[in-house]
Amino acid sequence: GQNIDQPTEMTATEGAIVQINCTYQTSGFNGLFWYQQHAGEAPTFLSYNVLDGLEEKGRFSSFLSRSKGYSYLLLKELQMKDSASYLCAVKGDYKLSFGAGTTVTVRA
Amino acid sequence: KAGVTQTPRYLIKTRGQQVTLSCSPISGHRSVSWYQQTPGQGLQFLFEYFSETQRNKGNFPGRFSGRQFSNSRSEMNVSTLELGDSALYLCASSPGRGGTGELFFGEGSRLTVL
Repeated sequence: GQNIDQPTEMTATEGAIVQINCTYQTSGFNGLFWYQQHAGEAPTFLSYNVLDGLEEKGRFSSFLSRSKGYSYLLLKELQMKDSASYLCAVKGDYKLSFGAGTTVTVRA
Repeated sequence: KAGVTQTPRYLIKTRGQQVTLSCSPISGHRSVSWYQQTPGQGLQFLFEYFSETQRNKGNFPGRFSGRQFSNSRSEMNVSTLELGDSALYLCASSPGRGGTGELFFGEGSRLTVL
């Protein structure tokens, strides 16, 4: 089976940095995804890691350590529009399994 | 390129009824996955179809079923509805072969069971 843990909520100030951690235990590993989901909308793809290390894409970066079963999503220069739920998802042997999501609230 | 389209967007049913939800994937995508999303549980995997065959199935009772047509469109059905079936049902498509396995989601069908 698969177990994916991430914090339920985080709050940060506009312009700040927030790091969302994700730990996982899976039977088989074929990559880790981060998705963003605004309230009432579909999840949208943010990043993909399959090898250890940091992937940077603009204000967002994602890190993976396969040996530790650990990933984080780093959001820099936070903007109000970044207020959303962030979903960590692990691709196991045959399916993509999601964590419960972290709701990030950005305050002015 | 049109995205994933799900219909209906909202529906209300009563206990014991059945419901059918529809999903049209991105053109050229052959894999369709269905997820149930509830506030406390997050996204729970229901099943995945590829080329009209169910490839994988999650831990849901037999009341939940699905199918995929030759044009890759998919439907899921829930029979004998229970209050706990109230949720957002998300459909996601992917090419199905190669690539990262990234899923492209529709906006979902929000089911309320009274």
